Amino acid sequence: EPEVTQTPSHQVTQMGQEVILRCVPISNHLYFYWYRQILGQKVEFLVSFYNNEISEKSEIFDDQFSVERPDGSNFTLKIRSTKLEDSAMYFCASSRDSYYNSPLHFGNGTRLTVT
Amino acid sequence: GENVEQHPSTLSVQEGDSAVIKCTYSDSASNYFPWYKQELGKGPQLIIDIRSNVGEKKDQRIAVTLNKTAKHFSLHITETQPEDSAVYFCAASYGSNFGNEKLTFGTGTRLTIIP
Repeated sequence: EPEVTQTPSHQVTQMGQEVILRCVPISNHLYFYWYRQILGQKVEFLVSFYNNEISEKSEIFDDQFSVERPDGSNFTLKIRSTKLEDSAMYFCASSRDSYYNSPLHFGNGTRLTVT
Repeated sequence: GENVEQHPSTLSVQEGDSAVIKCTYSDSASNYFPWYKQELGKGPQLIIDIRSNVGEKKDQRIAVTLNKTAKHFSLHITETQPEDSAVYFCAASYGSNFGNEKLTFGTGTRLTIIP
């Protein structure tokens, strides 16, 4: 069964550094998302992306965050200047169509640790 | 915005018994309610979902019920097995044929099956 793949599985960075989290969505999917989960808490929506532009973003997704689909297969999340509170598990997800017609498939996540 | 409450936060049941997890939502416009299972070190995996035009859906040992009037939905797992042990998340969203909307997750239920 096709999977959403994320790299790296664990990223450690120093406060103030830039990080890029990478995702390869399922190949025939058109909608892409980033969610995050702070340890022990609920999964939170960050951003959705369709047709090469952001379709919705949460209040968490401020100017320090950006997303990009640099080619036909990758989908990236960049954090420009990391803060301690950015430490979390970041999940990429994709869906073939809008929620109503097809479910989200999540990757196994990248654990980001900011020191 | 949407708010999803989930109970209980932890649940232990004897193998073979049934488990029930309940969620309530606040936005009456929400029309899509998935349930995700998250195993240690992995991303959320969809196990069942229901749309607001039906009241119940079943898939083998798993069933979900939806009460739109009361704005609550429940996950039922029958004949529980050790491999059912995981964290379960409910979620809600408004989805349409024209666009994707964010999922709002509940706080999760850690289900432990006692052999």
